[in-house]
Amino acid sequence: NAGVTQTPKFRVLKTGQSMTLLCAQDMNHEYMYWYRQDPGMGLRLIHYSVGEGTTAKGEVPDGYNVSRLKKQNFLLGLESAAPSQTSVYFCASSSIPRGDYGYTFGSGTRLTVV
Amino acid sequence: GENVEQHPSTLSVQEGDSAVIKCTYSDSASNYFPWYKQELGKRPQLIIDIRSNVGEKKDQRIAVTLNKTAKHFSLHITETQPEDSAVYFCAATTGSGNTGKLIFGQGTTLQVKP
Repeated sequence: NAGVTQTPKFRVLKTGQSMTLLCAQDMNHEYMYWYRQDPGMGLRLIHYSVGEGTTAKGEVPDGYNVSRLKKQNFLLGLESAAPSQTSVYFCASSSIPRGDYGYTFGSGTRLTVV
Repeated sequence: GENVEQHPSTLSVQEGDSAVIKCTYSDSASNYFPWYKQELGKRPQLIIDIRSNVGEKKDQRIAVTLNKTAKHFSLHITETQPEDSAVYFCAATTGSGNTGKLIFGQGTTLQVKP
């Protein structure tokens, strides 16, 4: 039982490049989330999904896109990376319909845009 | 928009002393309040949570209290130990519907001196 797995763990991008971050969970959780963590700002919600085939915007969605084609996977895309997107990205999942509101987080992806 | 304010940003205590971290929230619809502990370079991990219909919850050395009228909640750690040193985040559910979206405080860096 791996929980929530994020790939890659580290990445350096040049401004304007694109990339996709993958989040996979094996807990059969319905809800999944992408957050970014910046020093002194806590975690801020980028996008989230309440089920396969659904996505919605969070607090800071600009510059990001997401897809949830399979229940276990939630992908975060950066189409044209900018230095302001340098951050640590965390994926999380939860099982709200089962009454479990607690998040299980992945180990994070440290992204640097130069 | 909705927000969660967390204080203090840093807290230093002697081993064996108590530590208290306080949060206030703005969304009157918030009904779930978790606390996460994040060690350096690691993922956030849920340590305790409380629902809006409960005023206090305790788990060994940690406890959380909630005052819905004043819209604030607090984390209490008693008999602190060096391994309690970490960054602590409070959070509250936000937004309409049962999406499980969390808004996080800015974090408190707790240092427990041996």
